[in-house]
Amino acid sequence: DTAVSQTPKYLVTQMGNDKSIKCEQNLGHDTMYWYKQDSKKFLKIMFSYNNKELIINETVPNRFSPKSPDKAHLNLHINSLELGDSAVYFCASSQDRLQGGTEAFFGQGTRLTVV
Amino acid sequence: EDQVTQSPEALRLQEGESSSLNCSYTVSGLRGLFWYRQDPGKGPEFLFTLYSAGEEKEKERLKATLTKKESFLHITAPKPEDSATYLCAVSSNFGNEKLTFGTGTRLTIIP
Repeated sequence: DTAVSQTPKYLVTQMGNDKSIKCEQNLGHDTMYWYKQDSKKFLKIMFSYNNKELIINETVPNRFSPKSPDKAHLNLHINSLELGDSAVYFCASSQDRLQGGTEAFFGQGTRLTVV
Repeated sequence: EDQVTQSPEALRLQEGESSSLNCSYTVSGLRGLFWYRQDPGKGPEFLFTLYSAGEEKEKERLKATLTKKESFLHITAPKPEDSATYLCAVSSNFGNEKLTFGTGTRLTIIP
């Protein structure tokens, strides 16, 4: 059973296109995240949702819009893709912070390449 | 702003040669310090959480320790399958659960 699953695993697209990455977790967690890992392997948070409510939005361009239809899903939509958006995007989840949320569990990543 | 610095950037060891990885951090109120392992093409895999100075945790050949300024990941008699990038991250009491990561240590164990 995959705890945090993302689709697609690879995404190659042209500049200017709009694309979405989907994420689902079956851990029963209340908090979900999107992280971006750049070419130097540095992981940086983009967004966090707790029970479908946006908690963290870390200086991310407006072209990136997360959507959480329910607490088990957090999708990432990207408009007008740019070359600099090429990276690996990781979805993660953790238990509710009010319950003393601790470790985050990560998906396998989506490698986005913009050409 | 929370900061995490890991050293060394890369480490090559012979199989069986023990060593330690360092993670120095500055955080406004530590909620937890986390160690993850990341294999190429995969997501980070959770290893340990440490909450307070003096705490230690072990798992197989790995042992993590924590002080008020840094954490060490000790690797005893490593095997080639321990080769991976080891990531350190912190969360603060004021950061809404976000993890601030270091840039990792790429560990290679040579048979």
